[in-house]
Amino acid sequence: DTAVSQTPKYLVTQMGNDKSIKCEQNLGHDTMYWYKQDSKKFLKIMFSYNNKELIINETVPNRFSPKSPDKAHLNLHINSLELGDSAVYFCASSSYQETQYFGPGTRLLVL
Amino acid sequence: AQSVTQLGSHVSVSEGALVLLRCNYSSSVPPYLFWYVQYPNQGLQLLLKYTSAATLVKGINGFEAEFKKSETSFHLTKPSAHMSDAAEYFCAVSGHNFNKFYFGSGTKLNVKP
Repeated sequence: DTAVSQTPKYLVTQMGNDKSIKCEQNLGHDTMYWYKQDSKKFLKIMFSYNNKELIINETVPNRFSPKSPDKAHLNLHINSLELGDSAVYFCASSSYQETQYFGPGTRLLVL
Repeated sequence: AQSVTQLGSHVSVSEGALVLLRCNYSSSVPPYLFWYVQYPNQGLQLLLKYTSAATLVKGINGFEAEFKKSETSFHLTKPSAHMSDAAEYFCAVSGHNFNKFYFGSGTKLNVKP
């Protein structure tokens, strides 16, 4: 069984479009995260939710909006996509004060 | 504030040789430290973690790392490289709440036959 899953795995879209990436974890964790990995492999946290509440919101354009319908899901919606948004987006989850477990990533390419 | 620096974006070793991947950290609080591995087109997998217990930490796939406070280092080693070890390795630091992970820029390990 996949612990942290993301859909879609690949996403190719035009500039200006709006897209969503979904994340689900079946580990019973109460904290979920979104990371962005750029072309140089640099990995940076974007958001963190604990029990459906936003607890970390790094300096990210407000075109990015996370949504957590329940503890097992954390979706990422991106408005007005730009070329610079092309990256790999990783979802992760953890229990409180425990190690983070990562999903397989969503490779976003904006044309 | 916390950060990690990984020295060497690319490391190449021969199969059977020692693997040494360097990580130095900066932290204003006692850190928790991690090594993750990323295989091509896959997510990050936890190799090992240091959470203020034993300073020498053993992980999966024969890897281990030693926390050295005096050197602010957490280098990753493996006595004998295997072809399957070829991947990208990331060092990360967090505070004791685990909420914020700060990753290094990664080291790509190449293993030559």
